[in-house]
Amino acid sequence: EVQLVESGGGFIKPGGSLRLSCAASGFTFSRAWMSWVRQAPGKGLEWIGRIKSQKDGGTTDYAAPVNGRFTGSRDDSTNTVYLQMNSLKTEDTGVYYCAKGGPYGDYVDLWGQGTLVTVSS
Amino acid sequence: DIVMTQSPATLSVSPGEGASLSCWASQSVSSKLAWYQQKPGQAPRLLIYHASARATGIPARFSGSGSGTEFTLTISSLQSEDFAVYYCQQYNDWPRTFGQGTKVEI
Repeated sequence: EVQLVESGGGFIKPGGSLRLSCAASGFTFSRAWMSWVRQAPGKGLEWIGRIKSQKDGGTTDYAAPVNGRFTGSRDDSTNTVYLQMNSLKTEDTGVYYCAKGGPYGDYVDLWGQGTLVTVSS
Repeated sequence: DIVMTQSPATLSVSPGEGASLSCWASQSVSSKLAWYQQKPGQAPRLLIYHASARATGIPARFSGSGSGTEFTLTISSLQSEDFAVYYCQQYNDWPRTFGQGTKVEI
């Protein structure tokens, strides 16, 4: 089955750290550009980061609100992508989606179910 | 950042009617525009990419058009399962950005 399954969300205090994992199956993970998209409660979608395939350099890009605090990585041997989140702020609260990039561009053709991150004191 | 603006914020329609949703980009994104549908409590689902290409499994009643800065998602003859929030997203420039969404309601 083609799917993405996220884990690692939870409740954390401001300033804390959390690592999200996303396990992929059913497609050639090593070729895929993987992204993270979040959604604050009751709000719209926000693209926060992307990691390219190793073939395309394996580089990462981040949106300004998380740049320097969040780090994406991938393990093609286990078909898993990670998002390390440090120095968390209350405004980081939301559902975090793992997302697979499309074959023709940086849109999302496969979404995970999402994992909730709550940052609160 | 490229700002994506969607209109209207809410669209009230009846089943069987058609609907047109608009999306504007603050600068040209060529045809690098996608549309997604999101229902409450669910992850979004890709409908359209490259402004007008339907994703796999998407019914023909969904169509996209436009290029540059103006885009439209058209839903002909709305079905009950089409009532949801719709987002546009540009992928021409980093960071990728979404519109704020259009809620299609009965």
